[in-house]
Amino acid sequence: EAGVAQSPRYKIIEKRQSVAFWCNPISGHATLYWYQQILGQGPKLLIQFQNNGVVDDSQLPKDRFSAERLKGVDSTLKIQPAKLEDSAVYLCASSLVPSSPNLSYEQYFGPGTRLTVT
Amino acid sequence: RKEVEQDPGPFNVPEGATVAFNCTYSNSASQSFFWYRQDCRKEPKLLMSVYSSGNEDGRFTAQLNRASQYISLLIRDSKLSDSATYLCVVNDTGGFKTIFGAGTRLFVKA
Repeated sequence: EAGVAQSPRYKIIEKRQSVAFWCNPISGHATLYWYQQILGQGPKLLIQFQNNGVVDDSQLPKDRFSAERLKGVDSTLKIQPAKLEDSAVYLCASSLVPSSPNLSYEQYFGPGTRLTVT
Repeated sequence: RKEVEQDPGPFNVPEGATVAFNCTYSNSASQSFFWYRQDCRKEPKLLMSVYSSGNEDGRFTAQLNRASQYISLLIRDSKLSDSATYLCVVNDTGGFKTIFGAGTRLFVKA
């Protein structure tokens, strides 16, 4: 079974430039997550989609970050304009939708995109 | 107080040792709990879910204490290959809010 695909794997940009990341989740996974992981920290959830709807984007810096999942499959995360503090690994994950409100399913992560802002 | 807190370590243990990590969470309404493992420069991968009754998978045992709001991970007979960062994950109802701890680093040495 194919895993979560992300591209690019690495990106170096200058501050104030724009950048976009792409994610293709595991087939059949309706829930898709974007995380930011700064070196030495745990992943921080930026946005969570269920199909093409946003479930949680409370920690997404909406003045510069945007994300979409138009057809409920692939997703893109954009940063415009980038700041030095955006340097991090951006992880995409996907999971099945729980059959019960009390359940959560395993999240499968892609390899991440390592972003360096200079 | 952080929503999910872990001792960052590092824990340096010899092969064969038993080591335990704790993780505390602040939201008493949290429903689901997991331990993920993350190798250096790799993505996190599920190690095990944590059930109310506690659960064991080979050398790994996870426990949940709802009254004190913490989960634990016990690793017995440590192997060199256990060296990694262990991430505690807490989900609210239906997985609508996922919070990762900062991770605990483990080094197992020969």
